[in-house]
Amino acid sequence: AQSVSQHNHHVILSEAASLELGCNYSYGGTVNLFWYVQYPGQHLQLLLKYFSGDPLVKGIKGFEAEFIKSKFSFNLRKPSVQWSDTAEYFCAATGGGNKLTFGTGTQLKVEL
Amino acid sequence: DTGVSQDPRHKITKRGQNVTFRCDPISEHNRLYWYRQTLGQGPEFLTYFQNEAQLEKSRLLSDRFSAERPKGSFSTLEIQRTEQGDSAMYLCASSLAPRTGELFFGEGSRLTVL
Repeated sequence: AQSVSQHNHHVILSEAASLELGCNYSYGGTVNLFWYVQYPGQHLQLLLKYFSGDPLVKGIKGFEAEFIKSKFSFNLRKPSVQWSDTAEYFCAATGGGNKLTFGTGTQLKVEL
Repeated sequence: DTGVSQDPRHKITKRGQNVTFRCDPISEHNRLYWYRQTLGQGPEFLTYFQNEAQLEKSRLLSDRFSAERPKGSFSTLEIQRTEQGDSAMYLCASSLAPRTGELFFGEGSRLTVL
């Protein structure tokens, strides 16, 4: 079955620390990959997306993600986090259809 | 606000009652999705529409759940004979085909079944 897994459920970082959140998927064939973010009290919103081409994609607010096909991974990174990055982050994927499948999410807390 | 709107935002009901949620998508979007989210989990796909056609429905979805999008605009999600296990956040999202996966979410409707 198609699935997305996120291994870090809770991450706590200090401001200016670097961030990497793991995401692995299990899909055969073509896959489109996404990261969504949910800030406290707000709705889910798209952070970045990968369809094809350059495996390193850049999103809003300085986030980037790298698609590594051989590892079935799409990890999210940010060189220096800010307190305002405190949120829940969801990796998601579609595999040839229009259904978006989400991982369980990673709760990130950035401390001052 | 021209985003996705959901109503009601909160619903408390007793077990066995029926509930209905409404979603108004972004006006030019032709796809509409329903997801369910429980604490500590990611959004779980329930169903989606393209225009008024319901194109996919999760196999996990009980027969007590039904969704409609009669004119290809707003949608309703009805849960009949609610159970405590139905307590969750019900999320609606819309998108514009063919931009697969680029969903715009509403704030959600939180259901509590007592």
